[in-house]
Amino acid sequence: DAKTTQPPSMDCAEGRAANLPCNHSTISGNEYVYWYRQIHSQGPQYIIHGLKNNETNEMASLIITEDRKSSTLILPHATLRDTAVYYCIVASQGGKLIFGQGTELSVKP
Amino acid sequence: GAVVSQHPSWVICKSGTSVKIECRSLDFQATTMFWYRQFPKQSLMLMATSNEGSKATYEQGVEKDKFLINHASLTLSTLTVTSAHPEDSSFYICSERRQETQYFGPGTRLLVL
Repeated sequence: DAKTTQPPSMDCAEGRAANLPCNHSTISGNEYVYWYRQIHSQGPQYIIHGLKNNETNEMASLIITEDRKSSTLILPHATLRDTAVYYCIVASQGGKLIFGQGTELSVKP
Repeated sequence: GAVVSQHPSWVICKSGTSVKIECRSLDFQATTMFWYRQFPKQSLMLMATSNEGSKATYEQGVEKDKFLINHASLTLSTLTVTSAHPEDSSFYICSERRQETQYFGPGTRLLVL
């Protein structure tokens, strides 16, 4: 499975959009981009995933570049409860999810 | 709402004893479940893939005789840490594969004294 690169930490002001980048330059054609987040001492929470097209759900938007080598997770109006570690994972459908170090997002009042 | 539950949520045991952790799929027949371990300040590490009705597949470096996995039904997978030692103290998390996505349980915190 392709590996991903994420910044180790980011800050965001409450109420503003949080844009979390992820590089996955070695992604294969059949691999999806998954985003999960982990709030302290809890299991990871699924956020969103996509293959080629941009995706949006009630939690976030996922923007995937045309060459699929990078993506951005957007939390449109960050709240304090969005403070968590965000993981970008590339995997084939039904494949194993291998977690990297993720981005520690701190939403500040 | 939650789709995967784990029991217990935390457990403290003496060194040398065995501990069983249950992972239940709440509304789905999961043929495949996964077990992860997470040490403090670290990311999740995949331990094994649990397949209903067959043997689990372990990741490299994970001792299959120490971490026994049983997936006897489509809604239940169990992880037994045998002869637990303090270095086995960790946060154990299971997940189920549901179509294209995996959903995770709340985790079980194990402390071995």
